[in-house]
Amino acid sequence: GQQLNQSPQSMFIQEGEDVSMNCTSSSIFNTWLWYKQDPGEGPVLLIALYKAGELTSNGRLTAQFGITRKDSFLNISASIPSDVGIYFCAGRPDSNYQLIWGAGTKLIIKP
Amino acid sequence: KAGVTQTPRYLIKTRGQQVTLSCSPISGHRSVSWYQQTPGQGLQFLFEYFSETQRNKGNFPGRFSGRQFSNSRSEMNVSTLELGDSALYLCASSLEGGNSYNEQFFGPGTRLTVL
Repeated sequence: GQQLNQSPQSMFIQEGEDVSMNCTSSSIFNTWLWYKQDPGEGPVLLIALYKAGELTSNGRLTAQFGITRKDSFLNISASIPSDVGIYFCAGRPDSNYQLIWGAGTKLIIKP
Repeated sequence: KAGVTQTPRYLIKTRGQQVTLSCSPISGHRSVSWYQQTPGQGLQFLFEYFSETQRNKGNFPGRFSGRQFSNSRSEMNVSTLELGDSALYLCASSLEGGNSYNEQFFGPGTRLTVL
């Protein structure tokens, strides 16, 4: 079935650093979503993208819908301790009604 | 506006038992999806309900079932529990129509432990 490749699996960063993560698919998507999940809670929607090339920001977070429609990127600038958590991408392919989810990127801030 | 609520938040069962989890979507949301999340794993799609009908189903055995009521509240049931069913079960709701459908809002989840 359809799969999303989300990378990296985990990231160890220093507070204040910028963070980048991405998701790629084998097929064309018409929607990309980025979520963050804190331990013991449900994921929270951060950014939604609907057009190829679209660049959308939410505070220190910026996400882009790749022009090939097969990938998306999330950047976090000047990371802070509350950014720790798991970031998930999700997308809806042209050929399918159902959202497909990445496996997540775990963000850990080094003390 | 209240968010998605799930009850109970925590549940401990033994193998062979059955369990029912409940989800109340955001007011006005008619689509409800259920996911299973095991430690270190992504979200595994179970099923989606809209207008009391199952609209999509993931690759889970028939022991996993669900339903939706006329007020959009949804329940999922797992029969003959196995140790591997221990997980966080997440419910998400969304509006129907246009791009809003894609934007799923999640509840806090029900943490099920099977002993």
